[in-house]
Parts: sequence; C-alpha cells; structure tokens
Amino acid sequence: DGGITQSPKYLFRKEGQNVTLSCEQNLNHDAMYWYRQDPGQGLRLIYYSQIVNDFQKGDIAEGYSVSREKKESFPLTVTSAQKNPTAFYLCASSISGQAVQPQHFGDGTRLSIL
Amino acid sequence: AQKVTQAQTEISVVEKEDVTLDCVYETRDTTYYLFWYKQPPSGELVFLIRRNSFDEQNEISGRYSWNFQKSTSSFNFTITASQVVDSAVYFCALRQSGAGSYQLTFGKGTKLSVIP
Repeated sequence: DGGITQSPKYLFRKEGQNVTLSCEQNLNHDAMYWYRQDPGQGLRLIYYSQIVNDFQKGDIAEGYSVSREKKESFPLTVTSAQKNPTAFYLCASSISGQAVQPQHFGDGTRLSIL
Repeated sequence: AQKVTQAQTEISVVEKEDVTLDCVYETRDTTYYLFWYKQPPSGELVFLIRRNSFDEQNEISGRYSWNFQKSTSSFNFTITASQVVDSAVYFCALRQSGAGSYQLTFGKGTKLSVIP
C-alpha cells in the first residue's frame, strides 16, 4: 500500500541528546514537509523540501535539522538546542510543491522529554 | 501574512444532529487554496477537500458539505446526520499560490464530539 510511514510512534529524549525522527514515503512525491503540533494548536511548519538535496526552513526551524538525500526519505533531527521539544510531529508529502496539491500525512511521532 | 481562524474550540452534538464547523481566513492573495483535514484520535491527518479561490461552488460528498463564500472569507464545513465516527479534530488550512508560497497555514482546529 502506498503511504507515509513515520517511526517511531513514541520517542523519549534525554537532556542534551539529539534524536532523529524517520519519515518514508512510497508515493513518489517530490515534496515533503515536517510539522509540529502542540496541544490545542494547529500545525506549524518546521522544514520543507521540494526536491532531493534541497530543503527550506519553515516558521520554527530553530533547534531542528533535516536532510533529503533520497526522494522517499526526509528525516528530522531534534537537536539539544531545541529547548521545548515535547510535541507531536507530523510528516507530510505532496506530488509537487505547488499550492494546489494537497499534502498527505503520516501517523505522527510523539516526542517526550525524560 | 495569512491567517486561519476556527473560532469553535470544541463542539458536542448528539448522534444524528447536523453540525457546522466554521472557518474564516485572511489572505492578500487573489489566488489561494483552502483545505479541510480530519484528525481522529489516532493522530494522522486525513485530507477531506480542497477548494481554489476561483471556484465558489458548494460541494457535497455524502454527509459532508462545504460552503465557500469569498465575500465573507469563510469556508464552512457541515456534517449532516452526525455519527460517532465523526468524532475528531477538524482543521481548516490555507495555502497561497505563487512562487515561494510553500506554507500551509492551519487554524487551531475544532474538536467535535458526537455523543451516541
């Protein structure tokens, strides 16, 4: 089945630790996105990538890093510089970066601080 | 800057009642796209509908209908004869067209609880 797979479903981070959230899609989509969702809030864009080896910062990129070495993969690293990382993280993809294309989402990763 | 407002934080209805979720948006662009997503308790966002700014026709899909009115910058979502499976958080989102406009701006969501 085609879709977006995020792993792990739950992740715990210790102080000073970097953690990486995985996002893989087999939809052959060019564009991929990372969002952060806090309780009672809408989604906020962290990073997006229109094409392999290219990515751009969203509204809240500080403390996060990404890579896009393969079309199907867009991992997000939450670094120790991100002081408030506890949140629900959603990865999305779309056929292209054009505004008309709807974004399709994975099941999310819930990150908590130990 | 663009903005989406979903004024209703939480709504509770009894099963089989109709319910309308409000969405008001702000944008300076003349070309833009509006979206509705459903987020069930499991967490994933499910795409429901896309509307472009040039098409003000209302749309119906089964028990779901959408009312887009540019004059009031609103894109409201109605569920007819609600069911328990409709319980979820619903998000309205806006995306401007044009170069460099990659951001989907989300409202804060409306949590709908359908009581059996």
